[in-house]
Formats: sequence, structure tokens, C-alpha cells
Amino acid sequence: GDSVTQMEGPVTLSEEAFLTINCTYTATGYPSLFWYVQYPGEGLQLLLKATKADDKGSNKGFEATYRKETTSFHLEKGSVQVSDSAVYFCALRDRGSTLGRLYFGRGTQLTVWP
Amino acid sequence: NAGVTQTPKFRVLKTGQSMTLLCAQDMNHEYMYWYRQDPGMGLRLIHYSVGEGTTAKGEVPDGYNVSRLKKQNFLLGLESAAPSQTSVYFCASSLLTGGRGTEAFFGQGTRLTVV
Repeated sequence: GDSVTQMEGPVTLSEEAFLTINCTYTATGYPSLFWYVQYPGEGLQLLLKATKADDKGSNKGFEATYRKETTSFHLEKGSVQVSDSAVYFCALRDRGSTLGRLYFGRGTQLTVWP
Repeated sequence: NAGVTQTPKFRVLKTGQSMTLLCAQDMNHEYMYWYRQDPGMGLRLIHYSVGEGTTAKGEVPDGYNVSRLKKQNFLLGLESAAPSQTSVYFCASSLLTGGRGTEAFFGQGTRLTVV
């Protein structure tokens, strides 16, 4: 079945540090891949997405590249800010499925210190 | 542009009590979902619906029931609350799958405590 495995947290960084959160997936079909972010006390918001191999999703300085050969979708940011402190979820959606559900990783808590 | 709205935002229940969580979306989405979020567990799918009048079980359906009488609303019911149902509940909606990269939109969550 479909599943997502992401790096265990928590991750603690100083402001302006480089961030990588690893995400790998297993899918029976041809998935779309997503990163969602959850700020304290809020719901999940879409951060970025990629729909086919070698696509790069980007938003707010974050990037992730859909790597079919390594079944990965790692999230990166070159210089994190305190305001990036949140929980990040990697997710996939099998576009060939009629169910339409998202499969989530367990989430990675990021804390950025000034 | 409200998106996905959940009510209530917070609730405390006693064991054995019942309640209904309401989710409403104004985006004319076909799919709606209920997830629960627990520490270290990510989001787990409780029930989902692929259209008005249809519902189906997700990963963790026991102890919950759902109804989708109108396309814009998806109700989650707890008939007899248990402490194990203490969690944060999220509703989400999305367009019919098959579109490229169709994402899900989430509500703000309902924090439920069962004592």
C-alpha cells in the first residue's frame, strides 16, 4: 500500500541555518507529492507540491524535488527564519486512485532560534 | 472566502457522552475527510466521503460515525466518547481526484478532550 516516511524530529536550528527534512514514499500508482505546514494552533496549509518526476515545488524559500528513482521528496530551505517554526508533513496522493485520500508522514517539528 | 470551517473549536466531554463535529466547505468539493492528529502519529484517516450521500471507512473508524446529507457538510459523530478519542480532529476537502496535483484544504481543527 501507499505510505510516507519522513525524518523524525524534533529539528532545532539557529536562524539562517540550512534545513533539510527527508521524506521517502511508497506508492503503487503514480503519486502527486506534497509538503504541508502546520503553525501552532492552526490547521494544515499546503506549502508546495509536485505532480511528476523531476518537478520542483517551491514556495516561501522552501523547495522539494520529486525524485522517482529514489522515491524521495526532501524539503529544503537555504536560510531558515524564526517564523518557519512549525510542524511539516510530507504527503502523497495517488492520482490513479478513485479514493482521493492523502497519505501523511508523521510530521517533523522544526524550531528555529534567533 | 471561508474555505473549510469546523465547529466547535474546543470541547470537553465526559466519558460516555455524545457529540457531533461539523465541517462545512464552500468550495463545491466532492471529497471530504475526517482525520485525527495525535502526537507522534501524524494524521490518521477516520472516515471520508466521495460525494453527497456516500461515506466510507478510513484507517481508524471505530467509535465514530459520519454523515454527508449535503455536499457542503460532513458531520463526525461520537456516540459514546472514550478517553482514547482525546485528540485534535481535522476536516479536509478536495476536488474530485484525477486532476493534476489536486490538494486538500484543511479546517482549523477541533481539540477534543474526553475525561
